[in-house]
Amino acid sequence: KNEVEQSPQNLTAQEGEFITINCSYSVGISALHWLQQHPGGGIVSLFMLSSGKKKHGRLIATINIQEKHSSLHITASHPRDSAVYICAVIPDAGGTSYGKLTFGQGTILTVHP
Amino acid sequence: ETGVTQTPRHLVMGMTNKKSLKCEQHLGHNAMYWYKQSAKKPLELMFVYNFKEQTENNSVPSRFSPECPNSSHLFLHLHTLQPEDSALYLCASSPGILYGYTFGSGTRLTVV
Repeated sequence: KNEVEQSPQNLTAQEGEFITINCSYSVGISALHWLQQHPGGGIVSLFMLSSGKKKHGRLIATINIQEKHSSLHITASHPRDSAVYICAVIPDAGGTSYGKLTFGQGTILTVHP
Repeated sequence: ETGVTQTPRHLVMGMTNKKSLKCEQHLGHNAMYWYKQSAKKPLELMFVYNFKEQTENNSVPSRFSPECPNSSHLFLHLHTLQPEDSALYLCASSPGILYGYTFGSGTRLTVV
Protein backbone atom coordinates (compact mmCIF):
# COMPACT_ATOMS: atom_id res chain seq x y z
CA LYS A 1 0.00 0.00 0.00
CA ASN A 2 1.36 3.40 -1.03
CA GLU A 3 2.14 5.81 1.79
CA VAL A 4 0.19 8.49 -0.10
CA GLU A 5 -3.25 7.68 -1.48
CA GLN A 6 -5.32 9.99 -3.66
CA SER A 7 -8.98 9.83 -4.55
CA PRO A 8 -10.55 9.73 -6.96
CA GLN A 9 -8.09 8.38 -9.53
CA ASN A 10 -10.16 9.81 -12.36
CA LEU A 11 -12.54 12.74 -12.22
CA THR A 12 -14.72 14.19 -14.95
CA ALA A 13 -16.58 17.45 -14.48
CA GLN A 14 -18.56 20.02 -16.41
CA GLU A 15 -17.24 23.53 -16.70
CA GLY A 16 -18.22 25.59 -13.68
CA GLU A 17 -18.44 22.70 -11.23
CA PHE A 18 -16.76 22.71 -7.83
CA ILE A 19 -14.09 20.00 -7.67
CA THR A 20 -12.45 18.27 -4.71
CA ILE A 21 -9.46 15.95 -4.83
CA ASN A 22 -8.45 14.14 -1.67
CA CYS A 23 -5.08 12.97 -0.35
CA SER A 24 -4.50 10.71 2.63
CA TYR A 25 -1.08 9.74 3.95
CA SER A 26 0.11 7.30 6.55
CA VAL A 27 3.34 8.88 7.80
CA GLY A 28 4.21 11.91 9.85
CA ILE A 29 5.11 14.77 7.56
CA SER A 30 6.97 18.06 7.51
CA ALA A 31 5.02 19.45 4.57
CA LEU A 32 2.67 18.48 1.76
CA HIS A 33 2.76 19.59 -1.86
CA TRP A 34 0.03 19.77 -4.45
CA LEU A 35 1.42 19.58 -7.98
CA GLN A 36 -0.19 19.95 -11.41
CA GLN A 37 1.05 18.01 -14.42
CA HIS A 38 -0.17 18.86 -17.91
CA PRO A 39 0.05 16.58 -20.95
CA GLY A 40 3.66 16.68 -22.12
CA GLY A 41 4.93 16.14 -18.61
CA GLY A 42 5.88 19.47 -17.09
CA ILE A 43 5.02 19.81 -13.41
CA VAL A 44 3.99 22.99 -11.66
CA SER A 45 3.99 23.34 -7.90
CA LEU A 46 0.60 24.70 -6.81
CA PHE A 47 0.89 24.71 -3.03
CA MET A 48 3.16 23.70 -0.22
CA LEU A 49 1.50 23.60 3.17
CA SER A 50 2.11 22.25 6.63
CA SER A 51 -1.06 23.45 8.35
CA GLY A 52 -4.39 25.15 7.74
CA LYS A 53 -5.42 26.42 4.37
CA LYS A 54 -3.98 28.25 1.37
CA LYS A 55 -5.78 29.94 -1.51
CA HIS A 56 -4.54 31.03 -4.91
CA GLY A 57 -7.10 32.25 -7.38
CA ARG A 58 -9.69 29.50 -7.87
CA LEU A 59 -7.57 26.92 -6.06
CA ILE A 60 -7.82 26.15 -2.36
CA ALA A 61 -5.74 23.62 -0.45
CA THR A 62 -6.43 22.46 3.08
CA ILE A 63 -4.63 20.11 5.40
CA ASN A 64 -5.58 18.38 8.66
CA ILE A 65 -2.39 17.12 10.25
CA GLN A 66 -4.18 15.13 12.96
CA GLU A 67 -6.26 13.25 10.40
CA LYS A 68 -3.37 12.96 7.93
CA HIS A 69 -5.55 14.32 5.16
CA SER A 70 -5.43 17.11 2.60
CA SER A 71 -7.86 18.34 -0.02
CA LEU A 72 -7.44 20.39 -3.16
CA HIS A 73 -10.51 22.32 -4.27
CA ILE A 74 -11.10 24.03 -7.60
CA THR A 75 -13.95 26.50 -7.77
CA ALA A 76 -15.67 27.36 -11.07
CA SER A 77 -13.70 24.71 -12.95
CA HIS A 78 -12.59 25.37 -16.51
CA PRO A 79 -11.39 23.09 -19.33
CA ARG A 80 -7.87 24.51 -18.91
CA ASP A 81 -7.84 22.96 -15.42
CA SER A 82 -7.72 19.53 -17.09
CA ALA A 83 -4.50 17.94 -15.88
CA VAL A 84 -3.12 15.38 -13.47
CA TYR A 85 -3.05 16.60 -9.87
CA ILE A 86 -0.45 15.00 -7.64
CA CYS A 87 -0.17 15.05 -3.88
CA ALA A 88 3.33 14.63 -2.43
CA VAL A 89 4.55 14.59 1.16
CA ILE A 90 7.87 15.17 2.83
CA PRO A 91 8.02 12.53 5.57
CA ASP A 92 9.03 13.86 8.95
CA ALA A 93 12.16 11.74 9.16
CA GLY A 94 14.25 14.39 10.78
CA GLY A 95 17.88 14.94 9.84
CA THR A 96 19.03 16.88 6.83
CA SER A 97 18.16 14.63 3.92
CA TYR A 98 16.67 16.65 1.14
CA GLY A 99 14.22 15.61 -1.56
CA LYS A 100 12.38 12.86 0.24
CA LEU A 101 9.15 13.62 -1.56
CA THR A 102 6.77 10.66 -1.59
CA PHE A 103 4.14 10.92 -4.29
CA GLY A 104 0.55 9.84 -4.68
CA GLN A 105 -0.49 8.17 -7.91
CA GLY A 106 -2.21 11.30 -9.19
CA THR A 107 -5.78 12.23 -10.04
CA ILE A 108 -6.64 12.69 -13.71
CA LEU A 109 -9.07 15.60 -14.01
CA THR A 110 -11.00 16.28 -17.20
CA VAL A 111 -13.25 19.33 -17.36
CA HIS A 112 -15.65 19.45 -20.30
CA PRO A 113 -16.98 22.70 -21.76
CA GLU B 1 9.62 28.10 -18.62
CA THR B 2 9.74 27.41 -14.91
CA GLY B 3 13.37 28.36 -14.35
CA VAL B 4 14.51 24.75 -14.57
CA THR B 5 15.49 23.80 -18.12
CA GLN B 6 15.86 20.21 -19.26
CA THR B 7 17.36 19.03 -22.54
CA PRO B 8 16.59 17.21 -24.66
CA ARG B 9 12.79 17.13 -24.42
CA HIS B 10 12.62 13.80 -26.23
CA LEU B 11 15.24 11.09 -26.64
CA VAL B 12 15.17 7.73 -28.39
CA MET B 13 18.17 5.52 -27.78
CA GLY B 14 19.24 1.97 -28.41
CA MET B 15 20.23 -0.34 -25.59
CA THR B 16 23.92 -0.06 -26.49
CA ASN B 17 23.98 3.72 -26.75
CA LYS B 18 25.40 6.22 -24.29
CA LYS B 19 23.54 9.49 -23.83
CA SER B 20 23.19 12.25 -21.24
CA LEU B 21 20.29 14.28 -19.93
CA LYS B 22 20.96 17.83 -18.86
CA CYS B 23 19.27 20.01 -16.26
CA GLU B 24 20.04 23.67 -15.60
CA GLN B 25 18.68 26.16 -13.09
CA HIS B 26 19.65 29.74 -12.33
CA LEU B 27 17.27 30.18 -9.41
CA GLY B 28 20.02 30.12 -6.82
CA HIS B 29 18.72 26.81 -5.44
CA ASN B 30 21.14 24.59 -3.57
CA ALA B 31 19.40 21.24 -4.02
CA MET B 32 18.72 19.44 -7.30
CA TYR B 33 16.93 16.17 -7.94
CA TRP B 34 16.29 13.54 -10.58
CA TYR B 35 12.87 11.87 -10.60
CA LYS B 36 11.54 9.09 -12.82
CA GLN B 37 7.92 8.79 -13.90
CA SER B 38 6.94 5.50 -15.51
CA ALA B 39 3.55 4.88 -17.03
CA LYS B 40 0.83 4.22 -14.45
CA LYS B 41 3.25 4.63 -11.52
CA PRO B 42 3.86 7.47 -9.05
CA LEU B 43 6.92 9.64 -9.43
CA GLU B 44 10.04 8.06 -7.95
CA LEU B 45 13.02 9.86 -6.50
CA MET B 46 16.32 8.79 -8.10
CA PHE B 47 19.06 11.11 -6.85
CA VAL B 48 19.48 14.17 -4.67
CA TYR B 49 22.34 16.64 -4.78
CA ASN B 50 22.80 19.28 -2.11
CA PHE B 51 25.54 21.87 -2.61
CA LYS B 52 26.93 19.65 -5.40
CA GLU B 53 27.22 16.64 -3.10
CA GLN B 54 25.10 13.54 -3.67
CA THR B 55 23.03 12.99 -0.56
CA GLU B 56 20.60 10.38 -1.84
CA ASN B 57 20.77 7.45 -4.23
CA ASN B 58 17.43 5.71 -4.12
CA SER B 59 18.76 2.25 -5.09
CA VAL B 60 19.14 3.29 -8.70
CA PRO B 61 20.90 0.83 -11.08
CA SER B 62 24.45 1.77 -12.05
CA ARG B 63 23.45 2.20 -15.70
CA PHE B 64 22.20 5.60 -14.51
CA SER B 65 25.08 7.82 -13.45
CA PRO B 66 24.45 11.36 -12.13
CA GLU B 67 26.88 14.24 -12.22
CA CYS B 68 26.63 17.65 -10.57
CA PRO B 69 29.58 19.84 -11.63
CA ASN B 70 28.16 22.93 -9.94
CA SER B 71 25.00 23.96 -8.11
CA SER B 72 23.34 25.13 -11.35
CA HIS B 73 23.82 22.04 -13.49
CA LEU B 74 22.85 18.42 -13.13
CA PHE B 75 23.41 15.61 -15.60
CA LEU B 76 22.14 12.06 -15.85
CA HIS B 77 24.43 9.84 -17.90
CA LEU B 78 22.77 6.81 -19.45
CA HIS B 79 24.42 3.64 -20.75
CA THR B 80 23.23 0.15 -21.67
CA LEU B 81 19.67 0.94 -20.74
CA GLN B 82 16.78 -1.51 -20.92
CA PRO B 83 13.39 -0.96 -22.58
CA GLU B 84 11.79 -0.83 -19.11
CA ASP B 85 13.85 2.33 -18.45
CA SER B 86 11.62 4.17 -20.92
CA ALA B 87 9.95 6.90 -18.89
CA LEU B 88 9.70 10.62 -18.27
CA TYR B 89 12.76 11.88 -16.39
CA LEU B 90 12.15 15.03 -14.40
CA CYS B 91 14.65 17.37 -12.84
CA ALA B 92 13.72 19.64 -9.95
CA SER B 93 15.42 22.12 -7.68
CA SER B 94 14.65 23.72 -4.34
CA PRO B 95 16.25 26.13 -1.90
CA GLY B 96 15.81 23.52 0.81
CA ILE B 97 13.57 20.74 2.09
CA LEU B 98 10.81 22.93 3.48
CA TYR B 99 10.65 25.18 0.46
CA GLY B 100 8.73 24.70 -2.76
CA TYR B 101 10.13 22.68 -5.59
CA THR B 102 10.54 23.91 -9.17
CA PHE B 103 10.30 21.19 -11.79
CA GLY B 104 11.61 21.12 -15.33
CA SER B 105 9.48 20.00 -18.26
CA GLY B 106 11.09 16.59 -18.35
CA THR B 107 12.84 14.42 -20.91
CA ARG B 108 10.68 11.73 -22.50
CA LEU B 109 13.08 8.79 -22.94
CA THR B 110 12.34 5.78 -25.14
CA VAL B 111 14.76 2.85 -25.13
CA VAL B 112 14.49 0.62 -28.19
